[in-house]
Amino acid sequence: EVQLLESGGGLVQPGGSLRLSCAASGFTFSSCAMSWVRQAPGKGLEWVSAIRGDGGSTYYADSVKGRFTISRDNSKNTLYLQMNSLRAEDTAVYYCAKEYKWLSDAFDIWGQGTMVTVSS
Amino acid sequence: EIVLTQSPEFQSVTPKEKVTITCRASQSIGSSLHWYQQKPDQSPKLLIKYASQSFSGVPSRFSGSGSGTDFTLTINSLEPEDAATYYCHQSSSFPLTFGGGTKVEIK
Repeated sequence: EVQLLESGGGLVQPGGSLRLSCAASGFTFSSCAMSWVRQAPGKGLEWVSAIRGDGGSTYYADSVKGRFTISRDNSKNTLYLQMNSLRAEDTAVYYCAKEYKWLSDAFDIWGQGTMVTVSS
Repeated sequence: EIVLTQSPEFQSVTPKEKVTITCRASQSIGSSLHWYQQKPDQSPKLLIKYASQSFSGVPSRFSGSGSGTDFTLTINSLEPEDAATYYCHQSSSFPLTFGGGTKVEIK
């Protein structure tokens, strides 16, 4: 079964850091581009970051550029999002999503999400 | 950045009625437009990719059309389980963007 399982969310103070993980199973992870998408409480979807299957190219939304870093460990079938200098506006459910065939594609598989709350 | 404008934001519909949701892009994106369904407390699910291609396992009452800047998601004969928020998403260029969503309520 194709599955994505996020972890690492929680409560963090403004200015703090958090690292999210997304464990993939059921498909050839190293061949697939991946993204992080977030959803603030009661709001719509916002794309955050994407990475190519080999990790060679990365892209970021302007709202997180310079603060967040996407990476992957294909030997562990795991995607990461390192989040630094967190702000209240980063509070959201963070989903990892598999791109259908290539980088910048439809998202065909989504994880269940992990909640990040930035508050003092 | 390509802005996607969805309309309407909210729609209250009777079962078996037809639903039409539109998504307009701020510039031409070819057919790089995808549709998702999100039910409360669930992750989004892919319905339609590349404007009109149905994703595997999606009921045939869901269909998509359009190209360039104007796109449509149609739900023929709405079922009670179709109550959800629907989002469009463009993958033509970074940053990837989503429409604001259309909430469909069952009367």
